[in-house]
Amino acid sequence: AQKVTQAQTEISVVEKEDVTLDCVYETRDTTYYLFWYKQPPSGELVFLIRRNSFDEQNEISGRYSWNFQKSTSSFNFTITASQVVDSAVYFCALSEDPGGSQGNLIFGKGTKLSVKP
Amino acid sequence: SAVISQKPSRDICQRGTSLTIQCQVDSQVTMMFWYRQQPGQSLTLIATANQGSEATYESGFVIDKFPISRPNLTFSTLTVSNMSPEDSSIYLCSVERRPTNYGYTFGSGTRLTVV
Repeated sequence: AQKVTQAQTEISVVEKEDVTLDCVYETRDTTYYLFWYKQPPSGELVFLIRRNSFDEQNEISGRYSWNFQKSTSSFNFTITASQVVDSAVYFCALSEDPGGSQGNLIFGKGTKLSVKP
Repeated sequence: SAVISQKPSRDICQRGTSLTIQCQVDSQVTMMFWYRQQPGQSLTLIATANQGSEATYESGFVIDKFPISRPNLTFSTLTVSNMSPEDSSIYLCSVERRPTNYGYTFGSGTRLTVV
């Protein structure tokens, strides 16, 4: 069965600190896709990244970076030099069949990040 | 990439009534997904709506409680029927963006409070 685990419920850091959000997933499929979304207090879901199971290259986008390791079934997200505007709930999600009949996302429980000035 | 207009953005409803939530997409999409996010919780899939066929519901969700319409490739509605306070949640619709590496787009959500 598919499952996404975000063990960290809440994290609090001071501005400019680096912070890593953990995500561990379970799937029986060899082809799957992993996602990170940000949900600020306003409630909308903001897409951050999509990664397919065949691409283990790490990705960097500005202050954001992602580390995908199939050997440990992890897809961790690091924010470098955090800012107050990074305060939000971050969700890791898994999809086994994008575009297909099972193309929905399976979400982790989310990690609430608070960045204090 | 797809843009979704979801309405209403929020509502306060009386117990026993029904609310219909609408999602309009600015491009044609095959699948639309409806999620529920209970207070402080993660997102749970309610159903998948495919144009021209009955929606497929996840375990724990039934058509009588959450009827879905999908009359064309750009529009869908979710009705929350015979509401109780336990239905107080954020309801979101979602579609897959194209190209697919853009992930899934979500509507802005409907924040429902049942009193």
